[in-house]
Amino acid sequence: GENVEQHPSTLSVQEGDSAVIKCTYSDSASNYFPWYKQELGKRPQLIIDIRSNVGEKKDQRIAVTLNKTAKHFSLHITETQPEDSAVYFCAAGGKGSQGNLIFGKGTKLSVKP
Amino acid sequence: GAVVSQHPSRVICKSGTSVKIECRSLDFQATTMFWYRQFPKQSLMLMATSNEGSKATYEQGVEKDKFLINHASLTLSTLTVTSAHPEDSSFYICSARAGAGGTEAFFGQGTRLTVV
Repeated sequence: GENVEQHPSTLSVQEGDSAVIKCTYSDSASNYFPWYKQELGKRPQLIIDIRSNVGEKKDQRIAVTLNKTAKHFSLHITETQPEDSAVYFCAAGGKGSQGNLIFGKGTKLSVKP
Repeated sequence: GAVVSQHPSRVICKSGTSVKIECRSLDFQATTMFWYRQFPKQSLMLMATSNEGSKATYEQGVEKDKFLINHASLTLSTLTVTSAHPEDSSFYICSARAGAGGTEAFFGQGTRLTVV
């Protein structure tokens, strides 16, 4: 089955700096790669996703890149703000009718003002 | 985005009793629902996948007789934790998807289960 590795587990940046979180996956059949943000005690919220027919996708300060050959994808947050502080999860999956999403272990991002 | 409602948000039960958690898609028909378990400061661990009208598919290591999943309609899936024990205490969260694999899944708000 699919296995997703996520790094780093914790990341601390100064407000205004960029943050990069990286994930690798094992199943080459996976074709859907979402990123979720989870604030303490709340449900995960989708912030951006990418499908395997696209190499890069951007939405304001957030971007995701995908390298299918190397089986890795990354989240980039520019001009970080304190409200970006949360746990971020990557996931991979989407194949077949089940399309189970397998999540990485998460990255706790802290943005210091 | 679409709305998924999960109830209850918190439940405390005695050891040996059963607890039912509901997951509802409020404004779309969920062909597939997923149940996850999340320990403090850890990731979401997929427990099982259910499709409306068919038996759930459980992940390896998840006891299907202990965690009963029913997906009776396109808007409702339930997870019943049977004969709960303190080690079952955790945060359980569902997600629902309208389309086939490769489409966005929406999460419920989660249920904090404490077994005493």
